Amino acid sequence: AQRVTQPEKLLSVFKGAPVELKCNYSYSGSPELFWYVQYSRQRLQLLLRHISRESIKGFTADLNKGETSFHLKKPFAQEEDSAMYYCALRTNDYKLSFGAGTTVTVRA
Amino acid sequence: SQTIHQWPATLVQPVGSPLSLECTVEGTSNPNLYWYRQAAGRGLQLLFYSVGIGQISSEVPQNLSASRPQDRQFILSSKKLLLSDSGFYLCAWKGSGQGFYEQYFGPGTRLTVT
Repeated sequence: AQRVTQPEKLLSVFKGAPVELKCNYSYSGSPELFWYVQYSRQRLQLLLRHISRESIKGFTADLNKGETSFHLKKPFAQEEDSAMYYCALRTNDYKLSFGAGTTVTVRA
Repeated sequence: SQTIHQWPATLVQPVGSPLSLECTVEGTSNPNLYWYRQAAGRGLQLLFYSVGIGQISSEVPQNLSASRPQDRQFILSSKKLLLSDSGFYLCAWKGSGQGFYEQYFGPGTRLTVT
């Protein structure tokens, strides 16, 4: 069965420190993965997609098929990175399966 | 550009009362539409999705129903609300073309059942 696991519900880091949000998935097909972010009082929005291999707001995520992971990383966290982050997996042509989410707090 | 609207933004309803939440999308045609419920610590739970007018797929059996009376309108309903229906409801859309899998979300409706 398809499943997305985000093991950390809460993550607290200091400003300027590296931050890594873990995401593991299980899927029998070729995976397509996404990271979504929800800032305070804003709507849930797409942060990045693995097929684009892009860096958005300093964040990157690499798909590791051997470890079935898609961890989100940023070398130097900023206070504006405080938000809820969701990892998502495409499960068919129509649906995404979301993890439980990780709340990140960046402290000054 | 495409935009998605939801209303109301917040709603307080007594147990046993009916519910109607509305979602509309602008700037695109024949989108796939979705209703999610967001609960703390449980992530996003997909409730319903629709690939066309009158076509509804239910993901979780529950007290809720959905309808799609027009191409860009998606409605979430209940005949009698339960306390457990309280939550944050999100509508999302996705392009219907091949290769476009990401979804785009509305601002959400905060429902409190008292």
